[in-house]
Amino acid sequence: SQTIHQWPATLVQPVGSPLSLECTVEGTSNPNLYWYRQAAGRGLQLLFYSVGIGQISSEVPQNLSASRPQDRQFILSSKKLLLSDSGFYLCAWSMGQAYYGYTFGSGTRLTVV
Amino acid sequence: AQTVTQSQPEMSVQEAETVTLSCTYDTSESDYYLFWYKQPPSRQMILVIRQEAYKQQNATENRFSVNFQKAAKSFSLKISDSQLGDAAMYFCAYRSGGMDSSYKLIFGSGTRLLVRP
Repeated sequence: SQTIHQWPATLVQPVGSPLSLECTVEGTSNPNLYWYRQAAGRGLQLLFYSVGIGQISSEVPQNLSASRPQDRQFILSSKKLLLSDSGFYLCAWSMGQAYYGYTFGSGTRLTVV
Repeated sequence: AQTVTQSQPEMSVQEAETVTLSCTYDTSESDYYLFWYKQPPSRQMILVIRQEAYKQQNATENRFSVNFQKAAKSFSLKISDSQLGDAAMYFCAYRSGGMDSSYKLIFGSGTRLLVRP
């Protein structure tokens, strides 16, 4: 069966520090991968998605970047965190067909101080 | 661009009663899919139910059912026999069924459901 792992679960980082959040999927190949951010009490904002290795699409210009170095690995990064980067980050994967919904990771709560 | 609107920030229901969460969407496409996701306090997103736009029959999953009105672009979620474990944020989502290979999900802003014992 397919599983998705996301880590770390919680992170407190100072302003100006770098960020690396990792997401990996097991049990499938060539998944579509997504990074979402959820501000407190708000909806989900799509940040990046990838339909293949090295293929990254950005939805919102901001202080973050994403990479997909391997088929089932998706990384969210920042060189210098801002206070506004605080939030709950969710990774998700999907089969490459519209019928399938997403399977989400357990999320990372990021607090920038 | 497609949009999804959930006009009820918060709803409350008595345990064992029925509640309906509203969702409307805007699209010019004829081929698409609609979803309801549940996010309990653990914040793990869970797929509740899915509806294919080309199907007239409303989807049902145990105590969860939808009222899909394609012409009105409305997709409400009905929860019957509400349980304490149903307390969560509920998100409505839209996905294009066309040639967009990204298959992005567009989410509404969510409705917080409170269940009174």
